[in-house]
Amino acid sequence: GENVEQHPSTLSVQEGDSAVIKCTYSDSASNYFPWYKQELGKRPQLIIDIRSNVGEKKDQRIAVTLNKTAKHFSLHITETQPEDSAVYFCAANNQGGKLIFGQGTELSVKP
Amino acid sequence: NAGVTQTPKFRVLKTGQSMTLLCAQDMNHEYMYWYRQDPGMGLRLIHYSVGEGTTAKGEVPDGYNVSRLKKQNFLLGLESAAPSQTSVYFCASRASGLSYEQYFGPGTRLTVT
Repeated sequence: GENVEQHPSTLSVQEGDSAVIKCTYSDSASNYFPWYKQELGKRPQLIIDIRSNVGEKKDQRIAVTLNKTAKHFSLHITETQPEDSAVYFCAANNQGGKLIFGQGTELSVKP
Repeated sequence: NAGVTQTPKFRVLKTGQSMTLLCAQDMNHEYMYWYRQDPGMGLRLIHYSVGEGTTAKGEVPDGYNVSRLKKQNFLLGLESAAPSQTSVYFCASRASGLSYEQYFGPGTRLTVT
């Protein structure tokens, strides 16, 4: 069935370094790829998304890249700060319009 | 504009008890979803609704039922709770059309003993 794989499951970086989280998806019909950030005890919140008609999208320190041929997309965070510490989820939509989520990446930014 | 709200925030049940979780949204969204979140497993879809009066099964529907009698509300029921249903439950909603962004509620932490 439809599947989204996310790696790594945990990621620890020093403040100021970059962080990269990668996802692969299985449904070739997927055309919407959001990234959600979830702080401890809070709800997931959308931080950036990309549609299949573009290869890259940036918003200040975060960017997402998409390779439709390889069916993978990545989240890039530059100049990381302690407040970036959270769990990040990627997702892809399926033909029914539902989102299939990856397993999550726990990012820890050390001061 | 409260967005998506969930009631209750926390609940402890004994095995075999029943309960209903309420999700409400004030954004006039057509689509509503119920997810469960377990450590290391991301968000898994339980049931969803594409409009008032409609419901459909998601990835992990067993042991749960839902109803969408009013557009703004989506109820998740557990008829006979089991320890395997201990989880954090999130409701989400989105508008119809090509806007796929889902807005999440604050979650309900359920423990079944």
